[in-house]
Amino acid sequence: DAGVTQSPTHLIKTRGQQVTLRCSPKSGHDTVSWYQQALGQGPQFIFQYYEEEERQRGNFPDRFSGHQFPNYSSELNVNALLLGDSALYLCASSPKLGVAGGEFFGPGTRLTVL
Amino acid sequence: AQSVSQHNHHVILSEAASLELGCNYSYGGTVNLFWYVQYPGQHLQLLLKYFSGDPLVKGIKGFEAEFIKSKFSFNLRKPSVQWSDTAEYFCAVKRRRALTFGSGTRLQVQP
Repeated sequence: DAGVTQSPTHLIKTRGQQVTLRCSPKSGHDTVSWYQQALGQGPQFIFQYYEEEERQRGNFPDRFSGHQFPNYSSELNVNALLLGDSALYLCASSPKLGVAGGEFFGPGTRLTVL
Repeated sequence: AQSVSQHNHHVILSEAASLELGCNYSYGGTVNLFWYVQYPGQHLQLLLKYFSGDPLVKGIKGFEAEFIKSKFSFNLRKPSVQWSDTAEYFCAVKRRRALTFGSGTRLQVQP
């Protein structure tokens, strides 16, 4: 049973560029959440997708957007990259909006903005 | 705004020592509480969770945590640590749908 998978593993971009990160949830899960983890910090909630709609959003600007596909996989898009966007981006999945329990995390995508 | 505080940023213990990592949260309503662990080079894994009922919850690998509502605390404990417990530990609170994490505690266990 594959867990949460993310691609790519690492990514280097320059300021002002745009980036797309991808996530496939654990089998049987239909809810995907994205988190940003800066160095030395705990993960911070970006947003959550369920039934192809954004259900909840954290304190992140509109430059951060997402999408969920019918097969429950998800993308995180970041426009107009800033140096401060350099972080580990984590995808987490859960069944039914995560009401029943904790979320399962993927290995993350390390984004470096130069 | 809801916040989670982990007061110990870096803890160094010898094998067989007892462990207690502190976690306090600010929200006073109904919350779900979690401890996650991140071993070197691995992704975040759920150690244990509290939703309701017995405030003493047991997790994987011999870890347990106690929910004390009056103190807004959810401390993680292990009677005897092993070198393989070296990792970063995160306390998290879930209200509605989002997890709010503490800044983490790095545990280093010396053989």
